[in-house]
Amino acid sequence: GENVEQHPSTLSVQEGDSAVIKCTYSDSASNYFPWYKQELGKGPQLIIDIRSNVGEKKDQRIAVTLNKTAKHFSLHITETQPEDSAVYFCAASKEDSGYSTLTFGKGTMLLVSP
Amino acid sequence: DGGITQSPKYLFRKEGQNVTLSCEQNLNHDAMYWYRQDPGQGLRLIYYSQIVNDFQKGDIAEGYSVSREKKESFPLTVTSAQKNPTAFYLCASSMTSADYNSPLHFGNGTRLTVT
Repeated sequence: GENVEQHPSTLSVQEGDSAVIKCTYSDSASNYFPWYKQELGKGPQLIIDIRSNVGEKKDQRIAVTLNKTAKHFSLHITETQPEDSAVYFCAASKEDSGYSTLTFGKGTMLLVSP
Repeated sequence: DGGITQSPKYLFRKEGQNVTLSCEQNLNHDAMYWYRQDPGQGLRLIYYSQIVNDFQKGDIAEGYSVSREKKESFPLTVTSAQKNPTAFYLCASSMTSADYNSPLHFGNGTRLTVT
């Protein structure tokens, strides 16, 4: 089955700096790569996603890049703010018998210091 | 507001007892899921259901059971056969369509502690 590796497990930055979280996946058939943000005591929320026919996608301060050849994708957060502090999860999925389920990475705890 | 409601937020049980976690959604989503979250382990899929009266095992289904009698509801029972039941449990839902990779919407979880 699919295996998703995520690095780093923790990331500390100063407010205003950029943050980058990287993930690799094992199944070359995977075609959907979402990123979720989880705040303390809450469920994860989708922040951005990318499909395999696109190399990069941006949404304000957040961007995701995908390298299908190398089987890795990354989340980039620019001009970080304290409210960006949370746990971030990457995930991957592929269509399988008409349906797909997500495989998640183990998460990155991002701490943004004022 | 549309969303997913999980109840209760905190649940305590004695070892050997079965316990049922509630999950209700009003998003009119066809698919529903249960994930387990442990510190440093990410999210692992327990069970999922694409339509009413149908469900499939995920990666860690042993010791758990589910039912899907209504589109809005997908309760999870943690049985006494689950060897390490203390965890944070997350319910999610998604639309199913020709585009199968539709985003998951999560509830705010139930933290189960078994002593």
